[in-house]
Amino acid sequence: QKEVEQDPGPLSVPEGAIVSLNCTYSNSAFQYFMWYRQYSRKGPELLMYTYSSGNKEDGRFTAQVDKSSKYISLFIRDSQPSDSATYLCAPGGRDDKIIFGKGTRLHILP
Amino acid sequence: GAVVSQHPSRVICKSGTSVKIECRSLDFQATTMFWYRQFPKQSLMLMATSNEGSKATYEQGVEKDKFLINHASLTLSTLTVTSAHPEDSSFYICSARVQGRSEKLFFGSGTQLSVL
Repeated sequence: QKEVEQDPGPLSVPEGAIVSLNCTYSNSAFQYFMWYRQYSRKGPELLMYTYSSGNKEDGRFTAQVDKSSKYISLFIRDSQPSDSATYLCAPGGRDDKIIFGKGTRLHILP
Repeated sequence: GAVVSQHPSRVICKSGTSVKIECRSLDFQATTMFWYRQFPKQSLMLMATSNEGSKATYEQGVEKDKFLINHASLTLSTLTVTSAHPEDSSFYICSARVQGRSEKLFFGSGTQLSVL
């Protein structure tokens, strides 16, 4: 079983829709959880990070962590074409490393 | 957020030559930097962890004599791809960890290496 599993997509949604991106992990040693956004041929950019189970909101983005089921989600409200990118989930804290999922490619259709 | 500068952004070289990629943390000190490679539509693959003043730690399967890493200061790490071959063509990305905040990892903009 891979440490981090993420549906690669692509996921296409119309502009204005709510986007739900999901990720599962296998190792309960992970202590913090991050989402990165990566545009084509660019370095990833940190979007959200959280330590605990529950929700964390930042503008149009909400990160949700359920440690009991090892499930991580990122919700994007009022999606816009500029949100089109690859989203990487990244749990960390195991051996001080951050493990990246394969990423989900998201297309927001105008 | 913190800024990590990486260059060159793109390099094309002949097979057999060596290529150096620089990664700088511009507004913070980074005791630890990481080097990744990424193939099209694939995730980031960690190659090595670079610690200031000590030898880099390489991931399994990464040739340390092929990918030389130097982390001579708290703001600069370099990756040298020695005797590059076409199979080394990839997107290389560095990241730097903010000292004391292990979850804060900031990335450079990446280097696209093409070996002819």
